[in-house]
Amino acid sequence: DAGITQSPRHKVTETGTPVTLRCHQTENHRYMYWYRQDPGHGLRLIHYSYGVKDTDKGEVSDGYSVSRSKTEDFLLTLESATSSQTSVYFCAISRTGEVEETQYFGPGTRLLVL
Amino acid sequence: AQKITQTQPGMFVQEKEAVTLDCTYDTSDPSYGLFWYKQPSSGEMIFLIYQGSYDQQNATEGRYSLNFQKARKSANLVISASQLGDSAMYFCAMREGRTGNQFYFGTGTSLTVIP
Repeated sequence: DAGITQSPRHKVTETGTPVTLRCHQTENHRYMYWYRQDPGHGLRLIHYSYGVKDTDKGEVSDGYSVSRSKTEDFLLTLESATSSQTSVYFCAISRTGEVEETQYFGPGTRLLVL
Repeated sequence: AQKITQTQPGMFVQEKEAVTLDCTYDTSDPSYGLFWYKQPSSGEMIFLIYQGSYDQQNATEGRYSLNFQKARKSANLVISASQLGDSAMYFCAMREGRTGNQFYFGTGTSLTVIP
């Protein structure tokens, strides 16, 4: 157990509404990540953070923004949700950015955009 | 080009038999790490095993081993003595030393263990 929680775990929203997903960790890890999982695509990186207020884009960042004001929290915001953002969202953490270190995942958030 | 390719969408194995899940990767970075994750029907992602590009021996973790063939750029997962609880999706992933924070995942293989 890597001490990662995600909230909410399930959310249904309407097209055009803003949505914020929260990732919380209890072990003071420096690196945090947001992925989305879709059938046929595996997991794809949206954004990641390498410290408080330090973030960078991943492979599929369009339509998403992130913020990290505290070490333990990493927020993912969909400014105006679209149906193509219906997905399962996973948060992950790692202690360092070293190549040999694995990432540990939170339980996931299922988001349905109607 | 795909960084990670898993060509087996679905696999079946008899309980207590061994099974190999295929994974090939593409990178020009000499430093990289290869990872396997298990995702049961409950949805969580569980780390199974890691292999570094400079490791001389294949990684092993209990019933899991990684058949690392560097020249062929393959990192196949071998599960020995399959159990019913091994039924799940399995994902291969790579992390490149140069980019560091980008994990590339394959599309996964669904494994079903038959009693």
